[in-house]
Amino acid sequence: GIQVEQSPPDLILQEGANSTLRCNFSDSVNNLQWFHQNPWGQLINLFYIPSGTKQNGRLSATTVATERYSLLYISSSQTTDSGVYFCAVVTSGYKLSFGAGTTVTVRA
Amino acid sequence: DAGVIQSPRHEVTEMGQEVTLRCKPISGHDYLFWYRQTMMRGLELLIYFNNNVPIDDSGMPEDRFSAKMPNASFSTLKIQPSEPRDSAVYFCASTRGGEAFFGQGTRLTVV
Repeated sequence: GIQVEQSPPDLILQEGANSTLRCNFSDSVNNLQWFHQNPWGQLINLFYIPSGTKQNGRLSATTVATERYSLLYISSSQTTDSGVYFCAVVTSGYKLSFGAGTTVTVRA
Repeated sequence: DAGVIQSPRHEVTEMGQEVTLRCKPISGHDYLFWYRQTMMRGLELLIYFNNNVPIDDSGMPEDRFSAKMPNASFSTLKIQPSEPRDSAVYFCASTRGGEAFFGQGTRLTVV
């Protein structure tokens, strides 16, 4: 099956800092989503982004499908940004294959 | 819409008991997925349905696991008998062919 690799595995930020999370995938994909799993375990939809660039407040994402990667940008990080960020790709049947996640800790 | 609704939120049961997890997908969504999350294996797909029909159950770990979708608004995941290694968070998700949305999950603890 498809391999989804996220980097870095862990990220510690000072409040206000910017960061970039990366997602590489091993095969062509139909869709790609970014999720934030908050400390309470909820999976929150961030972006549905099979290609191109999208922005939502302090977060933005870019997917370059031809080069098989996606980037998630966090600007002016806040403590509420802490949690695990997952990249998930769709190859067939609309089923999502998840990466292992990037654990982000934002310190005040 | 209230989103994907799962129940119960938490379940603690004794080894050997039957456990049933429930999911109500978003109205109008025709795909439903069951995922399991553990520290060791991350998020893994167990089974998914399209128009209430199971399409791929290759992720179901053992015959002790079964899932049904009797109608478009309800699905169950049953474990019988349960074992301590089944302890995990079980998520249900739905989509109508695009963005997928997840429920809040059921945290299962088998003691």
